[in-house]
Amino acid sequence: EAEVAQSPRYKITEKSQAVAFWCDPISGHATLYWYRQILGQGPELLVQFQDESVVDDSQLPKDRFSAERLKGVDSTLKIQPAELGDSAMYLCASSLTPTFQETQYFGPGTRLLVL
Amino acid sequence: GNSVTQMEGPVTLSEEAFLTINCTYTATGYPSLFWYVQYPGEGLQLLLKATKADDKGSNKGFEATYRKETTSFHLEKGSVQVSDSAVYFCAGGGGGSNYKLTFGKGTLLTVNP
Repeated sequence: EAEVAQSPRYKITEKSQAVAFWCDPISGHATLYWYRQILGQGPELLVQFQDESVVDDSQLPKDRFSAERLKGVDSTLKIQPAELGDSAMYLCASSLTPTFQETQYFGPGTRLLVL
Repeated sequence: GNSVTQMEGPVTLSEEAFLTINCTYTATGYPSLFWYVQYPGEGLQLLLKATKADDKGSNKGFEATYRKETTSFHLEKGSVQVSDSAVYFCAGGGGGSNYKLTFGKGTLLTVNP
């Protein structure tokens, strides 16, 4: 069964350093999502791509976060500089289309700890 | 915007007990509703969904019915197993032109043998 791949699974970094997370969606899925899940909370959408275009980045802290999906396939989420409050699980998901009936498939996530 | 409120945990049950996790939503229009499950160390997996009023989603013995009149989507299972121990998230998406999924805070379920 096809899966969403993410790396690394765990990342420990110091405050003010740069970090990057990678996501490879299920083949053929045009829509890609990055979520942030703070411990004890549900995931919150950071950015949504349709192919290579950003559809929604209203909750992305653009002063320090950036996301790209250059060829409309895999995607990178970057934080620079990292802050203590960025410690969380970062989840990537993909779906065939962006319609709300469509199932989103989640990767295993990257757990980030900022010291 | 949409909001989802689900029963706070943790919930601890004995094997074969009956499970209910409450979920209510607030949305413009009629969103689709979902239950996702997150097993320890893993990402979220779709458990079941309903896309219109009175729809019943079911999977692996879990059920939830989309009740428009009470704006609810409660998750139920008649007999839980130890392997059902996980965090359960209710989510809503759509309604109008909003395609975003809005998640509840999650409910930790622990099933003891």
